[in-house]
Amino acid sequence: QKEVEQDPGPLSVPEGAIVSLNCTYSNSAFQYFMWYRQYSRKGPELLMYTYSSGNKEDGRFTAQVDKSSKYISLFIRDSQPSDSATYLCAMKGAWNDYKLSFGAGTTVTVRA
Amino acid sequence: DSGVTQTPKHLITATGQRVTLRCSPRSGDLSVYWYQQSLDQGLQFLIQYYNGEERAKGNILERFSAQQFPDLHSELNLSSLELGDSALYFCASSVGIDRGYEQYFGPGTRLTVT
Repeated sequence: QKEVEQDPGPLSVPEGAIVSLNCTYSNSAFQYFMWYRQYSRKGPELLMYTYSSGNKEDGRFTAQVDKSSKYISLFIRDSQPSDSATYLCAMKGAWNDYKLSFGAGTTVTVRA
Repeated sequence: DSGVTQTPKHLITATGQRVTLRCSPRSGDLSVYWYQQSLDQGLQFLIQYYNGEERAKGNILERFSAQQFPDLHSELNLSSLELGDSALYFCASSVGIDRGYEQYFGPGTRLTVT
């Protein structure tokens, strides 16, 4: 079983819809939770990071972490065709745990 | 643009050969990380350097090695290349050890081994 599980999709939604992405994990030592966006043939781009449980909002993006369920989510409101990309969740342990563990990534297409 | 640069963008080489990938971190960042991304394995952490010193190793093969130089740029050396080493190799950087959750990735080097 992988340390971080993420449904690879693909996910196709109409423009303006809410995109819902999620990851589950097995390592209870994870404390930092990140979401990256990766366009085709480009490097991953950090969207948001969250420490421990709770919600964080940044514009159209909302990240949620539920450590009790080992479940994290990313919501994209008012989705745009430019949001079409692969979204990767990533996690790490304490401040001195240097390794990021990534999910497989979910490919999202927003149809105009 | 993340501010992290990587060269070359593409590399095609034969099995058994050795290549060097280069990375320059964002201005002010002291930590450099190397990752390998392949279709079957996803994004895998290879190794991390902080201010010239190796700090963490992940799933890095013995045929692979890296270093970080005094000007903070880093190089990843891949030797005795095999077909399975074909992948995207990314470099990322962060300000310090305690900001490992805030890594900024470069555009990557696409390595093809024939």
